[in-house]
Amino acid sequence: IAGITQAPTSQILAAGRRMTLRCTQDMRHNAMYWYRQDLGLGLRLIHYSNTAGTTGKGEVPDGYSVSRANTDDFPLTLASAVPSQTSVYFCASSDLAGGTDTQYFGPGTRLTVL
Amino acid sequence: GQNIDQPTEMTATEGAIVQINCTYQTSGFNGLFWYQQHAGEAPTFLSYNVLDGLEEKGRFSSFLSRSKGYSYLLLKELQMKDSASYLCAVRDSNYQLIWGAGTKLIIKP
Repeated sequence: IAGITQAPTSQILAAGRRMTLRCTQDMRHNAMYWYRQDLGLGLRLIHYSNTAGTTGKGEVPDGYSVSRANTDDFPLTLASAVPSQTSVYFCASSDLAGGTDTQYFGPGTRLTVL
Repeated sequence: GQNIDQPTEMTATEGAIVQINCTYQTSGFNGLFWYQQHAGEAPTFLSYNVLDGLEEKGRFSSFLSRSKGYSYLLLKELQMKDSASYLCAVRDSNYQLIWGAGTKLIIKP
């Protein structure tokens, strides 16, 4: 069982380019999340999905979009990357019916926008 | 606004005990989590508190006081591998996690 996988591991991107970060989980969790982590700041929620077919905006959604076509996949797209989107991006998932609803994280994608 | 406060950095000695504090002000409370994050890696779940009191898990314990908006993570018999950042997160009334910036724990031999 892999848990949550993310791709790519790292990426350097020119400003203005479009980029999709991939996230796949095999735990059949209904909820999935995208966070960004910047030095000195806590994890900040970008978008989330409580179940396949639905998505919601988090604390910092501007410049990002997501889709949830099925239970396993939750891609994050930067339509036109800007340097302020340089960050480490973590995908997470949880079982909303599982009691504590603990979130489990993927290994992260380190993105640099030049 | 919502706020989670933790010390930025702490230093402790191998074999000792360390307490990492977390204070929070959030719109609602639906549980508090502690995660461990080694440098360059993903956060991993350590503990969950929703009721007041102490939860013990081996060398790690977590305490919660909802009336004081306060929690701490207690690490006993420190090992070098415990060098990591420790993240406190509170689930608010919207059922979203609000995260502290983390406490970097440095263990010295």
